[in-house]
Amino acid sequence: DAGVTQSPTHLIKTRGQHVTLRCSPISGHKSVSWYQQVLGQGPQFIFQYYEKEERGRGNFPDRFSARQFPNYSSELNVNALLLGDSALYLCASSSLGRPNEQFFGPGTRLTVL
Amino acid sequence: EDKVVQSPLSLVVHEGDTVTLNCSYEVTNFRSLLWYKQEKKAPTFLFMLTSSGIEKKSGRLSSILDKKELFSILNITATQTGDSAIYLCAVVGLVGAGGTSYGKLTFGQGTILTVHP
Repeated sequence: DAGVTQSPTHLIKTRGQHVTLRCSPISGHKSVSWYQQVLGQGPQFIFQYYEKEERGRGNFPDRFSARQFPNYSSELNVNALLLGDSALYLCASSSLGRPNEQFFGPGTRLTVL
Repeated sequence: EDKVVQSPLSLVVHEGDTVTLNCSYEVTNFRSLLWYKQEKKAPTFLFMLTSSGIEKKSGRLSSILDKKELFSILNITATQTGDSAIYLCAVVGLVGAGGTSYGKLTFGQGTILTVHP
């Protein structure tokens, strides 16, 4: 079975640009969460989506947005990129019956110059 | 605000040593505590702990939770160079109520473990 997949693996952008990151959950998982991991820190919660609706949002500015599609894949959008947005962006999926167990994708490494 | 603190932040040992990693937490509506190992990119799941005093064990790794004192430890015995990684502790807190509730993960900053041959 395929695990959580994310694309692209690496991305280089300049300040002020916008970026879209993509995530496909494990088959059968309907919940997707996004995390930002800055170098040297643990992942920070950005969003959680379930059945195409936002369930929760972390302490991130409105430049960050996300959505979930009918096939449960998800996109994370970041507008007006700042140098501080450089990080590893992780997506995790979980199933309805086991919300505690989140399985992570390989992440997208975003570098903002 | 939910909070997870790990210690030490970094640890350097030699193969064969035993290490203990610590995780303390403050969380609203605690559901579970998770340990992950992160080498290159994605954190990989190690343990989920929900009950106090019950040790979870997988090979040379073991973990236990104390819900009264709000902490957990991860032990690694007979360390190997392949154990070198960042070890992350995360706590799941239930947010919201009813059908719209969800489990939110709050991570600690991680412990960087380096095992020398």
